[in-house]
Amino acid sequence: KQEVTQIPAALSVPEGENLVLNCSFTDSAIYNLQWFRQDPGKGLTSLLLIQSSQREQTSGRLNASLDKSSGRSTLYIAASQPGDSATYLCAVPNGANSKLTFGKGITLSVRP
Amino acid sequence: GAGVSQSPRYKVAKRGQDVALRCDPISGHVSLFWYQQALGQGPEFLTYFQNEAQLDKSGLPSDRFFAERPEGSVSTLKIQRTQQEDSAVYLCASSPARMVGVYGELFFGEGSRLTVL
Repeated sequence: KQEVTQIPAALSVPEGENLVLNCSFTDSAIYNLQWFRQDPGKGLTSLLLIQSSQREQTSGRLNASLDKSSGRSTLYIAASQPGDSATYLCAVPNGANSKLTFGKGITLSVRP
Repeated sequence: GAGVSQSPRYKVAKRGQDVALRCDPISGHVSLFWYQQALGQGPEFLTYFQNEAQLDKSGLPSDRFFAERPEGSVSTLKIQRTQQEDSAVYLCASSPARMVGVYGELFFGEGSRLTVL
């Protein structure tokens, strides 16, 4: 059974800091890995999707990497801003047309 | 509509009551998922539809949970005889893709927060 782990559960950093959020998964036979953002009381918004054939994806100040063999992904946020404060979740699919398995998320607080 | 719409956004139920949660997916989206998110946890899969066919209901926690999508668009998640452990946010997500696990296009609604007293 696929298990997705995100540690730590919470992180607080000062504005402007570059930071890395980690995600690990137990079954490396995945099609892709996705990072989501969730604001309080809201649904999930997809940030980046990395296919298994890719090693990284970039969108603005966000860069996500994927190392299937070691079962790890990182989300790098450059020059963090208070508006980046949210919960970040990673997820991997169980099969081609199937459900996602999510980590518990990392709640990020960026202090002005 | 512009996005996935869920209603009600908030529902308070007394233990033992039945509740129905509605999901309006993005028009034309083939795939529809329901997830349950407890406080401080990641979403947990409940069930999956492709058009009107319920292809996977392995995540439904008990036979008190029932989901349908009779015309392949709007979906309803029904919980009978609610219990306190059912308190959670219920998220609906839709995708234009059949093979969501491969293509990953998934759009979430804002969820329905259920509180069972």
